[in-house]
Amino acid sequence: AQTVTQSQPEMSVQEAETVTLSCTYDTSESNYYLFWYKQPPSRQMILVIRQEAYKQQNATENRFSVNFQKAAKSFSLKISDSQLGDTAMYFCALGYGGATNKLIFGTGTLLAVQP
Amino acid sequence: KAGVTQTPRYLIKTRGQQVTLSCSPISGHRSVSWYQQTPGQGLQFLFEYFSETQRNKGNFPGRFSGRQFSNSRSEMNVSTLELGDSALYLCASRDGYHTEAFFGQGTRLTVV
Repeated sequence: AQTVTQSQPEMSVQEAETVTLSCTYDTSESNYYLFWYKQPPSRQMILVIRQEAYKQQNATENRFSVNFQKAAKSFSLKISDSQLGDTAMYFCALGYGGATNKLIFGTGTLLAVQP
Repeated sequence: KAGVTQTPRYLIKTRGQQVTLSCSPISGHRSVSWYQQTPGQGLQFLFEYFSETQRNKGNFPGRFSGRQFSNSRSEMNVSTLELGDSALYLCASRDGYHTEAFFGQGTRLTVV
């Protein structure tokens, strides 16, 4: 079975602080990718960061970084220097290489950045 | 480069009616997938098209169907609408070579 689990329905952080969102997944495939998407109130899903499973190095995009623990099937997102514009629903997603575009999403974590 | 365009943005339909939603992918992208987002079920995969062929299908009843045209634009159709079909329907496109999927702003369907 392919599943993605986000155990934190809601989180809150003060502006300029650091916050970590958790995600665990399960898959029997070896060629897979992990993503964090952000969905602000506008409802547009925006790709935040992605990680190829075959890469040991954790992905980083400006203030966003991941902690990818392949053996533990864990994929957490760290947001540094949180900004008010980071307020959104964050979804962890599992995808596969090759032909398919199918993504399996977690239930999401609603992040509120407080001024 | 224009993003993924979904039309219409909002739609209100009556139970029993049918509806067609449209998705225009990013230019050059040949893969289009559809998702249903509801508060109760979250984001669920509906189906995926690549070069006019359905490549994957989620666990939805046959009332949900789709197609893709030669210009990669895709439509999804829901027949005999039920109240539970009220949802945000999201479309995503990919170029087939890279893994990133780019989403449209969605169509908010309300069934009354």
